[in-house]
Amino acid sequence: DTAVSQTPKYLVTQMGNDKSIKCEQNLGHDTMYWYKQDSKKFLKIMFSYNNKELIINETVPNRFSPKSPDKAHLNLHINSLELGDSAVYFCASSQRLALSTGELFFGEGSRLTVL
Amino acid sequence: GENVEQHPSTLSVQEGDSAVIKCTYSDSASNYFPWYKQELGKRPQLIIDIRSNVGEKKDQRIAVTLNKTAKHFSLHITETQPEDSAVYFCAATLMNRDDKIIFGKGTRLHILP
Repeated sequence: DTAVSQTPKYLVTQMGNDKSIKCEQNLGHDTMYWYKQDSKKFLKIMFSYNNKELIINETVPNRFSPKSPDKAHLNLHINSLELGDSAVYFCASSQRLALSTGELFFGEGSRLTVL
Repeated sequence: GENVEQHPSTLSVQEGDSAVIKCTYSDSASNYFPWYKQELGKRPQLIIDIRSNVGEKKDQRIAVTLNKTAKHFSLHITETQPEDSAVYFCAATLMNRDDKIIFGKGTRLHILP
């Protein structure tokens, strides 16, 4: 039973294309996140949703659009892909930090390569 | 907003010796400090955390210390083993604010045979 699952695991695409990454969690958590990990391994928060509501939106280009159809799913759509978008994108979930242990549960990551 | 600095970026330690990784944070209101371990090609996973009402916490070979006045916290791994080789991330957040966990830039720990 995978707690946080992302698809696809690997994505290779050309510059200018549009792609989506899907994430689902079966932990019953209220909050879901997208983190970007670049080639230097920096983990940078991009977005956070709580019960389908956007609560964190870092300075991310508006080519990136998250969508949360329900609290168990958080998808990431990227338009007009650029070389600098190449990275590993991690989905994560947690209960509201104030109400929980604070632990983030990460998915396995989706490695995006833009050619 | 919160900013977390982590040192060193790379650390090589002889097997059996201790390793120490240090972090500083900028927001004095932050009250929750987790540490995550990421093995090669895997997802980050929580290994230990500490809250601001505690100065030290230990779990077997791993310990974390917190100095709120100096806004420092550190991870200590004793009797290092090959499976400790990984990237370690510190993080800080203020719980009950916006659920934003800010990570340090990571420390790549190599355990030498």
